[in-house]
Amino acid sequence: DTAVSQTPKYLVTQMGNDKSIKCEQNLGHDTMYWYKQDSKKFLKIMFSYNNKELIINETVPNRFSPKSPDKAHLNLHINSLELGDSAVYFCASSPLLAGAVSGANVLTFGAGSRLTVL
Amino acid sequence: ELKVEQNPLFLSMQEGKNYTIYCNYSTTSDRLYWYRQDPGKSLESLFVLLSNGAVKQEGRLMASLDTKARLSTLHITAAVHDLSATYFCAVGGSNKLIFGTGTLLAVQP
Repeated sequence: DTAVSQTPKYLVTQMGNDKSIKCEQNLGHDTMYWYKQDSKKFLKIMFSYNNKELIINETVPNRFSPKSPDKAHLNLHINSLELGDSAVYFCASSPLLAGAVSGANVLTFGAGSRLTVL
Repeated sequence: ELKVEQNPLFLSMQEGKNYTIYCNYSTTSDRLYWYRQDPGKSLESLFVLLSNGAVKQEGRLMASLDTKARLSTLHITAAVHDLSATYFCAVGGSNKLIFGTGTLLAVQP
């Protein structure tokens, strides 16, 4: 039973299209994240949600809109896709906010969604 | 703003050799994480270091943390091919986890 599952795993689309990536965690965690990994493998946080509330929006273009219907789900919708959006998008979850000073609070990552914009 | 740097970015080593990956970070933090990523795969947690002087070991990997120097090391002992992967350190701060640049480790037979 996958702890953090993302769909789709691969997404190939044309510039200008709109697409969504879905994420679900069954770990009972309070916090979920979206990270972007570029072609050089740099990992950069995009958003974090805690109990459905947006905590971090890391200067991401407003073409990217996260949505958390409940604390187990965090989806990412991208409008008007651009070539530079091509990357692997990772969803992750943790028991608490990443900066919370309480225990290990390890992030568990999904398998990633590879987005290719042509 | 918290910055996390790793070196080297790429490490090619022979089986049986020892080496160390370094992770420096720019602001105070008392928790540091090491993750492993195999090609085309997700990130897997290796170690969590929660205090100054913390040392964790698992198999041929040993991680340590010096919060005063803002430095963590990941030491590889007698490398084997199965250790080939990208290794990331990450530091917690301001409600987010900031990842280092990653070190691509290639262990040659």
